[in-house]
Parts: sequence; C-alpha cells; structure tokens
Amino acid sequence: GAVVSQHPSRVICKSGTSVKIECRSLDFQATTMFWYRQFPKQSLMLMATSNEGSKATYEQGVEKDKFLINHASLTLSTLTVTSAHPEDSSFYICSAYGPEGNQPQHFGDGTRLSIL
Amino acid sequence: AQSVTQPDIHITVSEGASLELRCNYSYGATPYLFWYVQSPGQGLQLLLKYFSGDTLVQGIKGFEAEFKRSQSSFNLRKPSVHWSDAAEYFCAVAGNRDDKIIFGKGTRLHILP
Repeated sequence: GAVVSQHPSRVICKSGTSVKIECRSLDFQATTMFWYRQFPKQSLMLMATSNEGSKATYEQGVEKDKFLINHASLTLSTLTVTSAHPEDSSFYICSAYGPEGNQPQHFGDGTRLSIL
Repeated sequence: AQSVTQPDIHITVSEGASLELRCNYSYGATPYLFWYVQSPGQGLQLLLKYFSGDTLVQGIKGFEAEFKRSQSSFNLRKPSVHWSDAAEYFCAVAGNRDDKIIFGKGTRLHILP
C-alpha cells in the first residue's frame, strides 16, 4: 500500500528554536498532503492542507506564520514550527492521499515534539 | 457541518471476546466513512473504508464495519479480539473524495488476558 514517511520521529529542543518536520510519500506522488496536531489522549486536529506548488490552506485558528508549510515537490511536504515554545509541544502527524489522488489518506508515524 | 461521535471513550473486553465500537456521524448526504487504528506513539493505520455499495465492509486484521444509513452509524466489529488489538480507534468522515477528514474523539480499547 501507499507509504508515508515522516522524519524525525522525535525531537527535543530549547524554547525559541525552529523545528522542521518532513513528510514524504514513498513510491507515489502526493499533490495534496495534510498536517495534523494531536494532544495527549485527544483526537487529531487538522492544521493545514498542503498543496504542491501553491500556498497551504490553514484551518481557522492556526497561525500560518508560526507553522510554515512548504510543499516544494510531489513527494515532500515540510512543516516548520518557528520560534517554538513549550505550548507547541505535541504530536504532529502528516498524511497524504494515495496514488489515486483522493481518499483514503495514508498517515505517517508522527513526530513527537518536545520544547523545553 | 459534518461531525463524528464515538460515545465510548474506553472499552474493555477479554481476549477472545467479540468487540463492537460505536460510531455515529452527522452529514446531509452519504459520506465517506473510515476507521483508523493508532498504537501508542504511532501514526494511524487504515482498517477499512466505506464509499458506496455493500454496506458491510471488510477490513484488515479481521475487522468489519456496517454502514446503517437509517441510524447514521458505522460501527466497527471483530468476532474475537487479540491482545495486540489494544489501541486507540478513530472513526472518521469525509464529504467526498477530495474533502478533508473529520475525526471522532477516539475509543481506547483495553484487552484483558
């Protein structure tokens, strides 16, 4: 099946630094990818939809200047958490439509971000 | 607006027993429905999906789900659970093939030996 690879799986950094998370589609092209945030013991909340070659579409309440998304190629989307603070600590998960270009979404294994 | 309700936050069953996880959705038309499973610290794995056709869908790992339009439900079932089934289960809905997914709050499944 379609595989989505996410890197890194875990990152710990100091407050004020910026952190980049990569999401790659393996063996298929993904024109649309999604970024989710998941707090402990809660559901996934969609942050933004990443579209190859165009600006990302952010959900209401998500700061686009805080969470920079770049989808520069058909297999890679990146999420950069800028000037991260402890409240940004969370589990970030990306997903992509499969080779058909639509549902269902295939998910990466997530990135645990911890800001000290 | 679309919504998904999973009324059970936690479910505990004995290994070998049958399982049913409930899911109700709110949507004006027939939605696209999904069940995903998440192990601790991991991403989501698709168990099964319903787009159209036969209302009883078979998934991976011995799971099945039945779409009941009259009840706006899409309950997940398994005849005999294994200890490895302990995880978080999410029901999700999308309006169409290109629409974003709305997730339920999840049901944590615990398995007793």
